[in-house]
Amino acid sequence: GAGVSQSPSNKVTEKGKDVELRCDPISGHTALYWYRQSLGQGLEFLIYFQGNSAPDKSGLPSDRFSAERTGGSVSTLTIQRTQQEDSAVYLCASSKQGINEKLFFGSGTQLSVL
Amino acid sequence: AQRVTQPEKLLSVFKGAPVELKCNYSYSGSPELFWYVQYSRQRLQLLLRHISRESIKGFTADLNKGETSFHLKKPFAQEEDSAMYYCALFSGSARQLTFGSGTQLTVLP
Repeated sequence: GAGVSQSPSNKVTEKGKDVELRCDPISGHTALYWYRQSLGQGLEFLIYFQGNSAPDKSGLPSDRFSAERTGGSVSTLTIQRTQQEDSAVYLCASSKQGINEKLFFGSGTQLSVL
Repeated sequence: AQRVTQPEKLLSVFKGAPVELKCNYSYSGSPELFWYVQYSRQRLQLLLRHISRESIKGFTADLNKGETSFHLKKPFAQEEDSAMYYCALFSGSARQLTFGSGTQLTVLP
């Protein structure tokens, strides 16, 4: 594969709707991360998956946010009952082993909540 | 808790001038620090990491534990260096990569 793939690239939704964002990491990368990029806020850590270990969910901002990773590969970030403050670019990244290795980022999903 | 501070949101320099992007961190353990860069319409990518002691595209960064800084420097800026630069800190205990808020560098002709 060419790299980390994210879909959709853009998502416009209405307040209160649920959305699902998808990430396909680089084949063979055991670690996968989700970050949120907001204007002027930098990159906010959301969640981290490493192999078969329990994910680090410490960055999820509320219980409306959840993520899963099936078969150690594809990951889906779900935001329930979206709010306008959820509008941001959601970035996925993967690496070979762990977080101190080089991260490869996807091109992101621009989420707009109207 | 770990924190990364990039005090300048915007930085402009002229081509050929030296450039320094500031990064300060707060962390009680032994830090691992990185610089990531995002060029216009491209993905965020690793520029360099302090453990490698490398120079990439003419950029260097030295970890100063006394000043808790990891400033990114280049002696002669080029127009193609214009990009958003993020400093990041790896926390071994929390196993998180914490990013700063970023500095948008513009190199003027």
